[in-house]
Amino acid sequence: DAEITQSPRHKITETGRQVTLACHQTWNHNNMFWYRQDLGHGLRLIHYSYGVQDTNKGEVSDGYSVSRSNTEDLPLTLESAASSQTSVYFCASSARIAGHYEQYFGPGTRLTVT
Amino acid sequence: AQSVTQLGSHVSVSEGALVLLRCNYSSSVPPYLFWYVQYPNQGLQLLLKYTTGATLVKGINGFEAEFKKSETSFHLTKPSAHMSDAAEYFCAVSRSGGYQKVTFGTGTKLQVIP
Repeated sequence: DAEITQSPRHKITETGRQVTLACHQTWNHNNMFWYRQDLGHGLRLIHYSYGVQDTNKGEVSDGYSVSRSNTEDLPLTLESAASSQTSVYFCASSARIAGHYEQYFGPGTRLTVT
Repeated sequence: AQSVTQLGSHVSVSEGALVLLRCNYSSSVPPYLFWYVQYPNQGLQLLLKYTTGATLVKGINGFEAEFKKSETSFHLTKPSAHMSDAAEYFCAVSRSGGYQKVTFGTGTKLQVIP
């Protein structure tokens, strides 16, 4: 079955370190998204991509970057981790269904920055 | 611009009682509306959606929602709560015309009391 996976599921890192969170989908979806989930804020969009070599900033992109070298993967990099980036991160991909787009979510990565 | 407001970050109901989770949206164009459910330590799953046509939409697990344009609302209901309904629920809005981004509400955590 096609799916979307994230790794690692849990990560503890130190302030200032570079961290990369992986997202892999086997649906061949062009659109991929990264969100962070925090209490009281719901899901906030970090970065998104509409295809290979395309990346765009979301509403909370400072301190994060993405690259899209193939359809299946959209890794999220925290260039210099900060305690404010402690959060649960979700990757999603989307497909067009009957004129609208539906998003499919990965299981999440819980990141703790100490 | 588009946004959603979920009234009540926590809702408690007794098993067998009516579930009502409130969502109001703001959109400058006809919206597409979604409800997602998140079980502990999992990603989000689509519960139901409104795009066009019938304003009362039915989803999985006995949930339904009604799009009311005059009230800019899309409340989620279920006639009889089950213990397995305990989860966090997110309302989300997108817009028609092939728009691909989704804006999420801050979530409502549903507790079901035996």
